[in-house]
Amino acid sequence: ETGVTQTPRHLVMGMTNKKSLKCEQHLGHNAMYWYKQSAKKPLELMFVYSLEERVENNSVPSRFSPECPNSSHLFLHLHTLQPEDSALYLCASSQEPESEAFFGQGTRLTVV
Amino acid sequence: KQEVTQIPAALSVPEGENLVLNCSFTDSAIYNLQWFRQDPGKGLTSLLLIQSSQREQTSGRLNASLDKSSGRSTLYIAASQPGDSATYLCAVPSPYNQGGKLIFGQGTELSVKP
Repeated sequence: ETGVTQTPRHLVMGMTNKKSLKCEQHLGHNAMYWYKQSAKKPLELMFVYSLEERVENNSVPSRFSPECPNSSHLFLHLHTLQPEDSALYLCASSQEPESEAFFGQGTRLTVV
Repeated sequence: KQEVTQIPAALSVPEGENLVLNCSFTDSAIYNLQWFRQDPGKGLTSLLLIQSSQREQTSGRLNASLDKSSGRSTLYIAASQPGDSATYLCAVPSPYNQGGKLIFGQGTELSVKP
């Protein structure tokens, strides 16, 4: 256990569905991140929240919408996704930007 | 633009061998470098974090070195075991004040045969 918990672990959704990914960290960290890992590609940052404020949005399509209600929770709301959005979505946290990052187990998303 | 490269992409060794994984980065203005392990379909487990002021870090059978000036890091695994089989990733923070964004290499897929 890394102290970062993601749910669900697996998700299959149609292109017209709306779903949300959840991440919770029990480490008392101030920064939280969403990364996307597609097959045969390096991890790509999607969003960064520091002290509950979004500080980085890495040109992600608007069909992905993050939410950080407090420093322990991070959501990724999904709607009208495309099959190419199928990937492993990883949440991470760190005490502060540029300190050691800890990752969750990921959500394997399949869009059909 | 910071780029991170890992070689080799895949490595297969017999159990008991010592091995070295390589990571290189193009911009030496890094705060730290982190090595991770990823098992198939799973998340990332942090192995070692080396600060920019450090030359190496050790954890059990793992030793990571950092040479900022040449833009290189190595992960040394001693006496490899089948349980070490996984993908190993290195990452550095973006040098452009992007809120802690990590830039990852493609990873080295390690297989240790019994």
